[in-house]
Amino acid sequence: DVKVTQSSRYLVKRTGEKVFLECVQDMDHENMFWYRQDPGLGLRLIYFSYDVKMKEKGDIPEGYSVSREKKERFSLILESASTNQTSMYLCASRPPGTGNTIYFGEGSWLTVV
Amino acid sequence: GDSVTQMEGPVTLSEEAFLTINCTYTATGYPSLFWYVQYPGEGLQLLLKATKADDKGSNKGFEATYRKETTSFHLEKGSVQVSDSAVYFCALSPPPGRNQGGKLIFGQGTELSVKP
Repeated sequence: DVKVTQSSRYLVKRTGEKVFLECVQDMDHENMFWYRQDPGLGLRLIYFSYDVKMKEKGDIPEGYSVSREKKERFSLILESASTNQTSMYLCASRPPGTGNTIYFGEGSWLTVV
Repeated sequence: GDSVTQMEGPVTLSEEAFLTINCTYTATGYPSLFWYVQYPGEGLQLLLKATKADDKGSNKGFEATYRKETTSFHLEKGSVQVSDSAVYFCALSPPPGRNQGGKLIFGQGTELSVKP
């Protein structure tokens, strides 16, 4: 079974804090993604990576950065958290040869106060 | 650009009712199409997919047919159960050559509530 693990399920951070959201997959996948989920807006792509040290902006990269130092780990960074970044963050990865099926972690609920 | 539009929710049904959740898309070429389901407090799980026109994806009693002529991928189930209560997302993957990284584009989600 594909396993995508997000290290934190629930976080509460203060405005201006630096926030790290970690995601690990154990299947040697090359492609990994960070999405943000908000009611009525569905999932919006923040960043994705198709290889170690490679990253591409998605649809809403502003206020976020990412790090991919090892193939199995893809981190989302909020340099200075703001209240409008309160959301559910979903990490996903794509195994090769699955016709673009991607597999999600359980999500990280971030509240910025 | 590519996009997905789903019918708005929430949808409330009685157990054993017939379910349709409409999904239409805009894309160039032949994208792959997906339905994902999100149960309360969980991440998204792949429910079914179709990769070419007229393909029918099916799983757990749900099915959807890739209709190129109407650019649609409606989700159906003949008899819903309380355990089907969840949020359902339609998504597309642009065809190779326009989709570096294999990203998916999602609709806004449709919440389904099934009452006993």
